[in-house]
Amino acid sequence: AQKITQTQPGMFVQEKEAVTLDCTYDTSDPSYGLFWYKQPSSGEMIFLIYQGSYDQQNATEGRYSLNFQKARKSANLVISASQLGDSAMYFCAMRNPQGGSEKLVFGKGTKLTVNP
Amino acid sequence: DAGVTQSPTHLIKTRGQHVTLRCSPISGHKSVSWYQQVLGQGPQFIFQYYEKEERGRGNFPDRFSARQFPNYSSELNVNALLLGDSALYLCASRPGLEVWGELFFGEGSRLTVL
Repeated sequence: AQKITQTQPGMFVQEKEAVTLDCTYDTSDPSYGLFWYKQPSSGEMIFLIYQGSYDQQNATEGRYSLNFQKARKSANLVISASQLGDSAMYFCAMRNPQGGSEKLVFGKGTKLTVNP
Repeated sequence: DAGVTQSPTHLIKTRGQHVTLRCSPISGHKSVSWYQQVLGQGPQFIFQYYEKEERGRGNFPDRFSARQFPNYSSELNVNALLLGDSALYLCASRPGLEVWGELFFGEGSRLTVL
């Protein structure tokens, strides 16, 4: 069974500092994709970054990077130079492309608070 | 371009009632998915529809049903509402059935069951 574990219910970071949000996953499938989404209080899920299981390099998107350690089954999100607008819930998710379904399995999320 | 739009944004129902939630995908997107997000949890997959056909179903009772219309918009229906159905219901769309690629989410419909 697919499972995503986010062990940090809440994280605090000072503005302009970097922060790492942890994510571990469990799957027996060799092909999978890992995603990070941001959810502000408005409720919308905003896509941040994607990592494929066969990708050789860690994904980066602006201030976001994904520290992918396949052997450890971890996919931590690193946010550099935190901004006040980064305060939100962050969800790690996984997809296995079986049967054509685009089902995403989400973790419970981490609430990030950026302090001025 | 408009993103994924959902209606209503908030609604209150009582136990035993029925609810219909609506979703309009991004223009050109043919795949629509529904997720339930209970307070304090991550979203859980309910359904996926593509070209009006169900492509995937999560572990939800038969009280939950959905359909997709020729214009690719979608409805989620929940019958015989229970208190535990109180949640944020998120709709997401994608262009097609690409193996990978992001889901684009709407802001959700927040359902409260009393």
